[in-house]
Formats: sequence, structure tokens, C-alpha cells
Amino acid sequence: DAGVTQSPTHLIKTRGQQVTLRCSPKSGHDTVSWYQQALGQGPQFIFQYYEEEERQRGNFPDRFSGHQFPNYSSELNVNALLLGDSALYLCASTMGLAYEQFFGPGTRLTVL
Amino acid sequence: DQQVKQNSPSLSVQEGRISILNCDYTNSMFDYFLWYKKYPAEGPTFLISISSIKDKNEDGRFTVFLNKSAKHLSLHIVPSQPGDSAVYFCAASAGNAGGTSYGKLTFGQGTILTVHP
Repeated sequence: DAGVTQSPTHLIKTRGQQVTLRCSPKSGHDTVSWYQQALGQGPQFIFQYYEEEERQRGNFPDRFSGHQFPNYSSELNVNALLLGDSALYLCASTMGLAYEQFFGPGTRLTVL
Repeated sequence: DQQVKQNSPSLSVQEGRISILNCDYTNSMFDYFLWYKKYPAEGPTFLISISSIKDKNEDGRFTVFLNKSAKHLSLHIVPSQPGDSAVYFCAASAGNAGGTSYGKLTFGQGTILTVHP
């Protein structure tokens, strides 16, 4: 039973660049959420996708955008990267609108 | 505005003893609470959850207690094992009367648990 997978594992970008992170949900799950975790902090909710629509959004600027595909996989796009975007980006999946979310290993983004 | 707080950055416990991790919240709309464990270089792993209609939920060595009037929950691990050493996050969510989540999990800052052999 495949869990949540994310790619790439690590990524280094420079300020002003754009980045795309990818996530495949756990088998049987159709809802995907994205979180940003800064060092020493808890994960912060970016947004959630359900039925290919953005269902809920956290306090992140429009530079952060996403997409969900018909196979339920998802992408997180960040434009005009800032140094402060350096963080661990976590994808979580769930079945429908359930409360429990299951996390992937994350993508470590470093912005120089 | 930190709606979920874990006021103890770290906790050290002897193997075999009880570990108690605490969490406080301020948002009365939260109706579901979860605990996650995180090892370095891994994503958070779901441990146990509790609905606001309950005051206790138990799963093996893990028990979560919820005190709604105090807006406080705690995770008890008995007996503690060295493999339990990790960062523990408390998370909260709001949902509708039908029992479905609005989606967002709000996390605390985490507590580093160290279990000594």
C-alpha cells in the first residue's frame, strides 16, 4: 500500500525563480493538502484540493498556487521565490473530507 | 495569533515511565484534535485523534485526553520506549455538523520527546 510520495526530495533555487513541487496521494485518497514547515515550527496550512478545486486556503500570498489532476495527484507552484520561502514543504492526503491527514516525507526547498 | 500552543519545547523521560505531552488551544470552533510524531528527515506520522464529543481515546500505549472547558488536551505514552524519541505535534481542525472537516489542520510548535534507556 503506497503512502504519500513527494518529489523532488531536495531543491535549491535562487531568489526570483519559480518552483514546482509534486505529490501523489496515498492509495485510495482523493484529497490533497499542502503545508509549509519552517525550522523549529509546526506545519502551516497552504491550501487543500478536493475534486480538482481549491477547497480552502491559508494565509499565503498568491505567489503560492496549486493544481490537482484527475488522478488526484497535485502540484504546488511558488513564483518569485524569496529567501523566506526556504522550508520543508509537506503534502498530506485524506479520503474525501475526513479529518485525519497522512503526510509525505516532504520536499526541502532552499532559496539562495 | 497562535491558536494551538505546545508550551513545553522539550521533555525528557526514562524508559518504562509515562510521557505526558500537553497542548492548549484558543479557537472554540475546533472540534477535532490529532497528534502526530515526526522523526528527522521524515514527514509527520499520524498517531491518534479525538473528537470533541469525547474526553478520552486510547490506542495501545497512546491515550489522548481532552478537557474542552479548559481548552486543553494531553497525550500519554505508557510505557515510554527509546523509539518514541521524536518531535510530537498537536493539531486541531474545525468541521461541520455532518462530521466532515473544513480541511485545515492548525499545528502547535511541537515538543521534542527524549526517552532515555
